[in-house]
Amino acid sequence: DSGVTQTPKHLITATGQRVTLRCSPRSGDLSVYWYQQSLDQGLQFLIQYYNGEERAKGNILERFSAQQFPDLHSELNLSSLELGDSALYFCASSVVGAGGYNEQFFGPGTRLTVL
Amino acid sequence: DQQVKQNSPSLSVQEGRISILNCDYTNSMFDYFLWYKKYPAEGPTFLISISSIKDKNEDGRFTVFLNKSAKHLSLHIVPSQPGDSAVYFCAAPNAGGTSYGKLTFGQGTILTVHP
Repeated sequence: DSGVTQTPKHLITATGQRVTLRCSPRSGDLSVYWYQQSLDQGLQFLIQYYNGEERAKGNILERFSAQQFPDLHSELNLSSLELGDSALYFCASSVVGAGGYNEQFFGPGTRLTVL
Repeated sequence: DQQVKQNSPSLSVQEGRISILNCDYTNSMFDYFLWYKKYPAEGPTFLISISSIKDKNEDGRFTVFLNKSAKHLSLHIVPSQPGDSAVYFCAAPNAGGTSYGKLTFGQGTILTVHP
């Protein structure tokens, strides 16, 4: 158990819909990262938040957005869903956002299926 | 642009023998590398890391070797056990800039250890 929790574990929805994925980082971790793993793309970085502020953006679509709340949990919002958005979405957390490297601890993921 | 590459999609090894997983990178700014292990339906789990100031890091049965001139690293597992069967990812955090801390992952290698 990494200490990072993600809900829900599975999500099945239809094209055009909007969903929200939730992540609670490990206690004390200020940085939250979101990754997408699809069958043909491997693990792709989406976005990072550090202590409530957006720190870095990767290949995140404009239809997707995220935020980190004062209690440090984070939500990833996916809207106007398309079939190609079906993937595993992982959240990870680490102690620091800058200045030195710390390993990222990953949650169990949310499997999103868009029908 | 695949900055971290794992060219072997799969590796099959007999229990007790050595498993060698390889990873190549193209970005000479990478100066820290991590290996993650992933079981199905779980998030990646941190295994071992290495800084570019070292050429070897050992942790129990796991050793990572780094050859900076060749931009190549490898993970050795000795002796291999059936429980090591999983997908192994090498990853590197950005060395700086606006995407500091994000991990760039290789495509992964599926390791199967036969009893």
